[in-house]
Amino acid sequence: GQQLNQSPQSMFIQEGEDVSMNCTSSSIFNTWLWYKQDPGEGPVLLIALYKAGELTSNGRLTAQFGITRKDSFLNISASIPSDVGIYFCAGQLFSGSARQLTFGSGTQLTVLP
Amino acid sequence: DTGVSQNPRHKITKRGQNVTFRCDPISEHNRLYWYRQTLGQGPEFLTYFQNEAQLEKSRLLSDRFSAERPKGSFSTLEIQRTEQGDSAMYLCASSGDRGFNTGELFFGEGSRLTVL
Repeated sequence: GQQLNQSPQSMFIQEGEDVSMNCTSSSIFNTWLWYKQDPGEGPVLLIALYKAGELTSNGRLTAQFGITRKDSFLNISASIPSDVGIYFCAGQLFSGSARQLTFGSGTQLTVLP
Repeated sequence: DTGVSQNPRHKITKRGQNVTFRCDPISEHNRLYWYRQTLGQGPEFLTYFQNEAQLEKSRLLSDRFSAERPKGSFSTLEIQRTEQGDSAMYLCASSGDRGFNTGELFFGEGSRLTVL
């Protein structure tokens, strides 16, 4: 099946710094999504991307859908303590196949005061 | 709170026992999904319902696993004869038609299973 390679696996940053993480795939996806998971909670959707080359922002978060449709990145600007958590990328092959999102293995973000 | 609700949140059981998890989706959502998440990994798809119909099952869903959504509302996931490899977080998610097409799922807090 499809696999998503997410990097880095973990990051330790100072509060106020910017963060960048990315996700690559050997397969083409029609949709890229970024979810965040806090400890003991389920993932929560942050950003969804539907077109190759699309750049989308949600507050301090910016994500891009790679032009090859095989990658995506997420940037967080001016990090704050509540940004701590695990960030997952997820890909969807076709509209109507949300039942089979493929998730990356996550980037664990720690924000130091 | 009108989010996705799962219970129990934690379950510790001995190998060989049966366990059942319940998921109550967002009330207006007609589609319900089960995912499994092991430590250090992202969620992996298990099965999917549209209303009461189970439309897709992953190869991860062995014959010891069974899921139901009898009235198209809440769902149960039962694991029979549990094995240590079943230890994981079991996540339920729901969506409406839009979320089904866009991949925008609403996840519950999960049910963590530990098999001793």
